[in-house]
Amino acid sequence: GAVVSQHPSRVICKSGTSVKIECRSLDFQATTMFWYRQFPKQSLMLMATSNEGSKATYEQGVEKDKFLINHASLTLSTLTVTSAHPEDSSFYICSAEVALNTEAFFGQGTRLTVV
Amino acid sequence: AQRVTQPEKLLSVFKGAPVELKCNYSYSGSPELFWYVQYSRQRLQLLLRHISRESIKGFTADLNKGETSFHLKKPFAQEEDSAMYYCAAEGNQGGKLIFGQGTELSVKP
Repeated sequence: GAVVSQHPSRVICKSGTSVKIECRSLDFQATTMFWYRQFPKQSLMLMATSNEGSKATYEQGVEKDKFLINHASLTLSTLTVTSAHPEDSSFYICSAEVALNTEAFFGQGTRLTVV
Repeated sequence: AQRVTQPEKLLSVFKGAPVELKCNYSYSGSPELFWYVQYSRQRLQLLLRHISRESIKGFTADLNKGETSFHLKKPFAQEEDSAMYYCAAEGNQGGKLIFGQGTELSVKP
C-alpha cells in the first residue's frame, strides 16, 4: 500500500513556541491530505482538510490562526502549531488519499508535548 | 449532525469466541462506511470497507441501512486480533472521515 510519513514522531516544546509537523506521501501524489487530532483513549477528530495549492478547510471550532496548514506540493503538507500551550499537547495524525473517495493512508502520528 | 457511534470502549473475549464490534451512524445521504484497525504501536490502517464486501483476516461487516449500523464480526477471535478498532464514515465531501470513538478489542488466551 501507499506510504504516508510524518515527521517528527515525537516533539517536546516550550509554551509559547511554534512547532511544525510534516506529512509526506512517499510513493504517490496526494491532492488532498487530512489532519486529525487524537486525545488519549479517544477518537480521531478531523481538524482540517489540506488542499494542494489552496487554503486549507478547517472544521468548526478549530482555530485556523492557531493551526497553520500549508500544502505546498502534491507530496507534502505541514501543520504548524503556533504559540503552543500545554492544552495543545496531543497526538496529531495526517492522512492522504491517492484519489478522491479511495482508501486513506495514515501517517504514524506525531506526539506533541508542550511544557 | 454527522456522527459515528461505537458504544463499547472495551470488548474482552476469549480466543476462539465470536466477536462483534458495534457501530451505528447518523449521516445524511448514503455514506461509505469503513473499519480501521490500529495495532499496538502501529499506524491506523484500513481493515475493510462496505462497498468491497470482502472478508479481511476473517472479519466481515454488513451495512444495515434500516438500522444505520455497520457492525464488525468475526466468528472465532484470535489473540492477534487484539487492537483498537475504529468505525468511520465518509460522505461525498471529498474524503472527510468521521470516526467513532473506537473499541479496544482484547482477546485473551
